[in-house]
Amino acid sequence: GNSVTQMEGPVTLSEEAFLTINCTYTATGYPSLFWYVQYPGEGLQLLLKATKADDKGSNKGFEATYRKETTSFHLEKGSVQVSDSAVYFCALSDLGNRDDKIIFGKGTRLHILP
Amino acid sequence: KAGVTQTPRYLIKTRGQQVTLSCSPISGHRSVSWYQQTPGQGLQFLFEYFSETQRNKGNFPGRFSGRQFSNSRSEMNVSTLELGDSALYLCASSSGLAGYTYEQYFGPGTRLTVT
Repeated sequence: GNSVTQMEGPVTLSEEAFLTINCTYTATGYPSLFWYVQYPGEGLQLLLKATKADDKGSNKGFEATYRKETTSFHLEKGSVQVSDSAVYFCALSDLGNRDDKIIFGKGTRLHILP
Repeated sequence: KAGVTQTPRYLIKTRGQQVTLSCSPISGHRSVSWYQQTPGQGLQFLFEYFSETQRNKGNFPGRFSGRQFSNSRSEMNVSTLELGDSALYLCASSSGLAGYTYEQYFGPGTRLTVT
């Protein structure tokens, strides 16, 4: 079945450091890929998405490129801020699969130190 | 536009009791999905309702059930509560079926503690 694997946290970085959170997926069809972010005490918010191979999603300085050859959708940011501290979830939905639900990774907690 | 609202925000129940959680989607959204979030298992899909019909269901026992009303508001019910049901229950709404790239908008969740 479909699955999403993302790096375990917590990830601790200093402000202005470069961020990478790895995400790989397994899907039988043609998945769309997402990154969601959950700030403390809140629900999830869509951060960015990509719907086909080689698409790059971007938002708030974050980027992720849909790599079909490596089945990956790694999240990157060039210079993180304290306000980026949150839990990040990689997710997929598979248009080629009648199983319609979105599948989430387990989340990666990010701590940014001032 | 008002966001997804969930009530109550916090709930404490004892084992064996039942509980009902409520979710009001964004106006105009017809799909409501429910998730259970725990530190150990992460986000697990419970079920999705679209136009009052359950479209999809995750791998949870029959103690977990839900429904959707004609105004798209949804409720989920957990009967015979167990300690392991302690979790954050998240509701998400979207304008179309969640599996077809429609963006999901999440509520803040209901924190359920079972003692």
